[in-house]
Amino acid sequence: TQLLEQSPQFLSIQEGENLTVYCNSSSVFSSLQWYRQEPGEGPVLLVTVVTGGEVKKLKRLTFQFGDARKDSSLHITAAQPGDTGLYLCAGESAGNMLTFGGGTRLMVKP
Amino acid sequence: GAVVSQHPSRVICKSGTSVKIECRSLDFQATTMFWYRQFPKQSLMLMATSNEGSKATYEQGVEKDKFLINHASLTLSTLTVTSAHPEDSSFYICSARHTSNYGYTFGSGTRLTVV
Repeated sequence: TQLLEQSPQFLSIQEGENLTVYCNSSSVFSSLQWYRQEPGEGPVLLVTVVTGGEVKKLKRLTFQFGDARKDSSLHITAAQPGDTGLYLCAGESAGNMLTFGGGTRLMVKP
Repeated sequence: GAVVSQHPSRVICKSGTSVKIECRSLDFQATTMFWYRQFPKQSLMLMATSNEGSKATYEQGVEKDKFLINHASLTLSTLTVTSAHPEDSSFYICSARHTSNYGYTFGSGTRLTVV
């Protein structure tokens, strides 16, 4: 079973601060996806990274895939209250299944 | 964009009854759909992989006779929770994998409460 360790589990910060969420595994993934989930709704895809060392930016969000394709990070610059939510990383294995990390619950206080 | 419709969004049922949850890909074909379960403040746990026209593949610990999955077409998969018990209360989410570009789209989830 492939496991994804996501950290931190909880994060409460003030508006304007920066933060980084980490997703680590001992397994190699063909791709890694980041999702954001609001309460009572399904996850919404933010980005997919495929190539080792790849960096993608989505406005104030920066996503990086490790060179060995075993880990990834999400960095948010100048967090805003609207960024509050559950962030999930998910690794896709050769069997075309997604393995989800434990999630990071982010709260940004105004 | 790709849309997955999941219905119902909320359902309350009595113990011992069965509940069917539908997952439809509205504007794309999905050979494979996935069913997840999510407990409060936790991440998604894969229950089973549903393949069109064949039997579903269940994850370890998931009872296939209790959680019946049918994937009769390229746009519809159903999950039936049979003889529901209060411990089956949870948030169930489906996901469809695009046949063309292999991306994943998630449904909006179903909150099941068994009383």
